[in-house]
Amino acid sequence: GENVEQHPSTLSVQEGDSAVIKCTYSDSASNYFPWYKQELGKRPQLIIDIRSNVGEKKDQRIAVTLNKTAKHFSLHITETQPEDSAVYFCAAGKRSGGYQKVTFGTGTKLQVIP
Amino acid sequence: GAVVSQHPSRVICKSGTSVKIECRSLDFQATTMFWYRQFPKQSLMLMATSNEGSKATYEQGVEKDKFLINHASLTLSTLTVTSAHPEDSSFYICSAEVQGRETQYFGPGTRLLVL
Repeated sequence: GENVEQHPSTLSVQEGDSAVIKCTYSDSASNYFPWYKQELGKRPQLIIDIRSNVGEKKDQRIAVTLNKTAKHFSLHITETQPEDSAVYFCAAGKRSGGYQKVTFGTGTKLQVIP
Repeated sequence: GAVVSQHPSRVICKSGTSVKIECRSLDFQATTMFWYRQFPKQSLMLMATSNEGSKATYEQGVEKDKFLINHASLTLSTLTVTSAHPEDSSFYICSAEVQGRETQYFGPGTRLLVL
């Protein structure tokens, strides 16, 4: 099955700095890569996703890059703000049996220091 | 759009009892729903995939007789933890796939504590 590794497990940055989280996946058939933000005790919220036919996608302060050859993808958050503090999960998915099955990474706890 | 609700949000039960958790898609039809379990400070682990009108598909290591899943309609899936034990205490989260799209939308989760 798919195996998704995520680094770092914790990340502290000063407000206004950039944060980068990296993930690797094992299944070359995976073609959908969402990123979720989860605040303590709450549901994961989709913040951005990318499909395998695209190398980069940006949404305001958030960007994701994908390298299919190397099987890794990254989340970039610029101009970080305290409200960005949360746990971020990457995931890799592929459609199987009529639905999209995703495997989550281990998570990165991001702390933005005011 | 794409709102998923879960009930209850929190439940405490005695060891040996059964607990039912409901997952509803409020503004869309979900042919597929997913059940995850999340232990403190850990990732989301897929337990099973619930398909409307058919049997659920369980991940390896998940006991189907212990975690009963019913997806009787396009907007409701239920997870019943039977004969719950303290080690079943966890955060259970459902998600639903919007038909024709790849995105999963998550419910708010149910925190289960088994005493």
